[in-house]
Amino acid sequence: DGGITQSPKYLFRKEGQNVTLSCEQNLNHDAMYWYRQDPGQGLRLIYYSQIVNDFQKGDIAEGYSVSREKKESFPLTVTSAQKNPTAFYLCASSITGVSGANVLTFGAGSRLTVL
Amino acid sequence: DQQVKQNSPSLSVQEGRISILNCDYTNSMFDYFLWYKKYPAEGPTFLISISSIKDKNEDGRFTVFLNKSAKHLSLHIVPSQPGDSAVYFCAASAHGANSKLTFGKGITLSVRP
Repeated sequence: DGGITQSPKYLFRKEGQNVTLSCEQNLNHDAMYWYRQDPGQGLRLIYYSQIVNDFQKGDIAEGYSVSREKKESFPLTVTSAQKNPTAFYLCASSITGVSGANVLTFGAGSRLTVL
Repeated sequence: DQQVKQNSPSLSVQEGRISILNCDYTNSMFDYFLWYKKYPAEGPTFLISISSIKDKNEDGRFTVFLNKSAKHLSLHIVPSQPGDSAVYFCAASAHGANSKLTFGKGITLSVRP
């Protein structure tokens, strides 16, 4: 079955540590995205990538980094510079170059808790 | 600056009745609008979308209405079912290669049996 796999589902981190969240898709989608969900805040865009080896900052990129070395993979690193890293992180992907709405397919999410 | 607004954080309706979820936007460049449904600890799933050149789109029990002059859209669910209880996000995008989605804060819908 095609889809998006995020791992780990739950992650605990001590303050000052970097942590990397994995996102893999087998949908052959060109674009990939990272969103963060906080209670009462909805989904906020962290980073997105339209093509391999290229990515752009979203609305809340500070304290995060990404890479897009392969079409299927878009890992997110939460660095120690991120002030409030505890959140639910969602990875998504979509096809580009087609008409119509940009329908994102989401993974199941990763919950990061900083102790 | 919040470009997509869902001002009511929650809604409770009786099973079998209509649920109406509202969404407002401020960016005139938005030309596609989408609704997503999300259960706790899961990723959102796509429900329905509408282009700005239309005022209505229907898919089974779900209908989205768009009032472009008022910059307002609504999702109607009829009849509502207990399984519809979830958080509903309104999202919008502008045409072009950089068509990232901007989401609202979401509305928690509870359907009472």
